[in-house]
Amino acid sequence: QKEVEQDPGPLSVPEGAIVSLNCTYSNSAFQYFMWYRQYSRKGPELLMYTYSSGNKEDGRFTAQVDKSSKYISLFIRDSQPSDSATYLCAMSGGFKTIFGAGTRLFVKA
Amino acid sequence: DSGVTQTPKHLITATGQRVTLRCSPRSGDLSVYWYQQSLDQGLQFLIQYYNGEERAKGNILERFSAQQFPDLHSELNLSSLELGDSALYFCASSPYSEDTTEAFFGQGTRLTVV
Repeated sequence: QKEVEQDPGPLSVPEGAIVSLNCTYSNSAFQYFMWYRQYSRKGPELLMYTYSSGNKEDGRFTAQVDKSSKYISLFIRDSQPSDSATYLCAMSGGFKTIFGAGTRLFVKA
Repeated sequence: DSGVTQTPKHLITATGQRVTLRCSPRSGDLSVYWYQQSLDQGLQFLIQYYNGEERAKGNILERFSAQQFPDLHSELNLSSLELGDSALYFCASSPYSEDTTEAFFGQGTRLTVV
């Protein structure tokens, strides 16, 4: 079993839709939870991070962490074609950071 | 632009050869992380250096080595290359030794082994 599981997609939605991206994990030592966006042939770009459980909002993006269920989510409101990218979750505990495989998202105009 | 510079952007080499990838971190960042990204393995952590010292090791093969120099730039050396080493290699930098929440990635080096 992988430490971090993420559905690779692809996920295709119409412009304006609410997108929900999710990851599950097995290691309860993870304390920091990050979401990265990666455009084709580019490096991952940090979108937001959360410490421990709870919600964090930044513009159209909301990150949610449920440590009891070992489940994290990223919600994108009013999705735009420019949001089309691969979204990677990442989790960190001390020295160790593990990335999910990434979910490919396509937002159709 | 993340401020992390990686060179070269593309590299094509033959099996059995040795290559060196270079990374210049963001100004002021002391940590450098190296990652390998392939289609079937996702983003895999290789190694971290902090202020010149090896800090953490991930799934790095013995054929691979890295170092961080006094000016904080880092090099990843890949030797006895195999077809399976073809991948994107990313460098990331961060101000911290343990906290990766503010790690910023370079644009990557695409290595093709033929």
